[in-house]
Amino acid sequence: NAGVTQTPKFQVLKTGQSMTLQCAQDMNHEYMSWYRQDPGMGLRLIHYSVGAGITDQGEVPNGYNVSRSTTEDFPLRLLSAAPSQTSVYFCASSHRDNYGYTFGSGTRLTVV
Amino acid sequence: SQQGEEDPQALSIQEGENATMNCSYKTSINNLQWYRQNSGRGLVHLILIRSNEREKHSGRLRVTLDTSKKSSSLLITASRAADTASYFCATDGSGTYKYIFGTGTRLKVLA
Repeated sequence: NAGVTQTPKFQVLKTGQSMTLQCAQDMNHEYMSWYRQDPGMGLRLIHYSVGAGITDQGEVPNGYNVSRSTTEDFPLRLLSAAPSQTSVYFCASSHRDNYGYTFGSGTRLTVV
Repeated sequence: SQQGEEDPQALSIQEGENATMNCSYKTSINNLQWYRQNSGRGLVHLILIRSNEREKHSGRLRVTLDTSKKSSSLLITASRAADTASYFCATDGSGTYKYIFGTGTRLKVLA
């Protein structure tokens, strides 16, 4: 039982490049979310999904796109990377909203 | 702006002592959760308390919730060096399905 798997673990991008951060869970969780964590800022919600085909914006959605075509996968796309997007990105999933989130191990992204 | 704010920002105690950290939030909620994050790792879910609950226990953890004051506290009893981590509260705005995290309390337990 793998839980929440994020790939890649580390990535360096040049300003203006695009990329997709992958997130997959094998627990049949309905809820999935993407957070970014910056030093001293805690975690900030980027986008979230309550089921396949349903996504919504969080606190800091600008510059990011998501889609949820299957229950298992919730990729995060950076459209045109900027240095301000340098951060650690966490994907998390939950069985509905009365249960705790299971977090992935994170993707450390540096934009130069 | 973040929904939850933890207090204190940092806490240093001796092994065996109790550690208390607090979380205040701004809007009504359905649930409040506490998480632990070891340095460089993902977050681990500790406990969830619903808005109609006042207290919950899990091992050495005790969480209280006061919805009238919009605050929660996490008590770790008989702390161990392994409890050294950052602790975050997360709240869902009532009627939403998104959890917003606070900035965390950094706990250091000295052996």
